[in-house]
Amino acid sequence: GNSVTQMEGPVTLSEEAFLTINCTYTATGYPSLFWYVQYPGEGLQLLLKATKADDKGSNKGFEATYRKETTSFHLEKGSVQVSDSAVYFCALDTGRRALTFGSGTRLQVQP
Amino acid sequence: NAGVTQTPKFRILKIGQSMTLQCTQDMNHNYMYWYRQDPGMGLKLIYYSVGAGITDKGEVPNGYNVSRSTTEDFPLRLELAAPSQTSVYFCASSYGEGVGANVLTFGAGSRLTVL
Repeated sequence: GNSVTQMEGPVTLSEEAFLTINCTYTATGYPSLFWYVQYPGEGLQLLLKATKADDKGSNKGFEATYRKETTSFHLEKGSVQVSDSAVYFCALDTGRRALTFGSGTRLQVQP
Repeated sequence: NAGVTQTPKFRILKIGQSMTLQCTQDMNHNYMYWYRQDPGMGLKLIYYSVGAGITDKGEVPNGYNVSRSTTEDFPLRLELAAPSQTSVYFCASSYGEGVGANVLTFGAGSRLTVL
């Protein structure tokens, strides 16, 4: 079946540090890939997406590249801020319209 | 634009009690979903619906029921609450077709504790 594996958290960084959150997937066919973010006390919201191999999704300084050869979709940001503290979820969609989510990675950014 | 609205935000149930989590969306989305979020386990799909009158099971449907009588509403019913149903429940919706079909809009969540 389909699955998404994310690095375990929490990830603790100082402000302006470089961020990488790893995500790999197992899926049949050619899934679309997503990163969702959950701020404290809120529901998840879409951060970025990529629909085919080699696509790069980007938003709010975050980016991720769809790597079919390594089945990965790692999230990166060059300089994190305290306001980026949240839980980040990697997800995939194989066309059934119900996403498969990873377990989430908590990011804590310290001033 | 309210988006996806869930009620209640918090609820404590005793074992064996029943309750309904309400979910409504005002974006005219065809698809609606219920997920549960357990600590460290990510989100698991309980049920989903592709339109009024149509529902289907997800990964973890046991102990739950849903209905979709209108496009806007997708309530989740727990008939006999068990401690294993202690979780945070999220309702979500999407267009389901065309551009942005699989981009989900989530509600703020309902935290349920069964004692």
